[in-house]
Amino acid sequence: GDSVTQMEGPVTLSEEAFLTINCTYTATGYPSLFWYVQYPGEGLQLLLKATKADDKGSNKGFEATYRKETTSFHLEKGSVQVSDSAVYFCALSDEGGSYIPTFGRGTSLIVHP
Amino acid sequence: ETGVTQTPRHLVMGMTNKKSLKCEQHLGHNAMYWYKQSAKKPLELMFVYNFKEQTENNSVPSRFSPECPNSSHLFLHLHTLQPEDSALYLCASSPNRAGNTEAFFGQGTRLTVV
Repeated sequence: GDSVTQMEGPVTLSEEAFLTINCTYTATGYPSLFWYVQYPGEGLQLLLKATKADDKGSNKGFEATYRKETTSFHLEKGSVQVSDSAVYFCALSDEGGSYIPTFGRGTSLIVHP
Repeated sequence: ETGVTQTPRHLVMGMTNKKSLKCEQHLGHNAMYWYKQSAKKPLELMFVYNFKEQTENNSVPSRFSPECPNSSHLFLHLHTLQPEDSALYLCASSPNRAGNTEAFFGQGTRLTVV
């Protein structure tokens, strides 16, 4: 079956530090890949997505590149802010599989001033 | 505003109470989901509805009873809950096709069972 593996958190950084959150996946078909963000007290919302190999999704300074050869979709940001403190979920939707999205377990990011 | 509205946002209930959580979407989606999110645990998919028909029930205790009267509304009826059921309950919706489709989440109901 499909699965998504994310690095364990929490990730703790100082403001303006570089962020990487690792995500790898397994899928039976050809998935689209997503990053969702959950701010404190809120639901999840889409941060960015990529639908085919070598695509780069980007939003709010965050980027992730769909790497089919390494089955990865790592989230990066060059300079984090305190307001980026949240939980980040990697997810996939497999065109060859169920419409039910598959989520990773989430990675908490804490950014200190 | 994601287009998915959950009410109430917060709920405190006793173990003998009966309450219901409500979820509403007008995005034209045919698939609707209930998730449970507990502290330090992954998202747990509870129920999935597709065109008002339940398609997934991930071994959820019978004290949780879902209802989907139409493709826009989803309820979670709660009765005789336990303190360990305290969590954030998230509703989501999506098109019922796989691939390049995003799930839209409500803001959740923070449930506390006392």
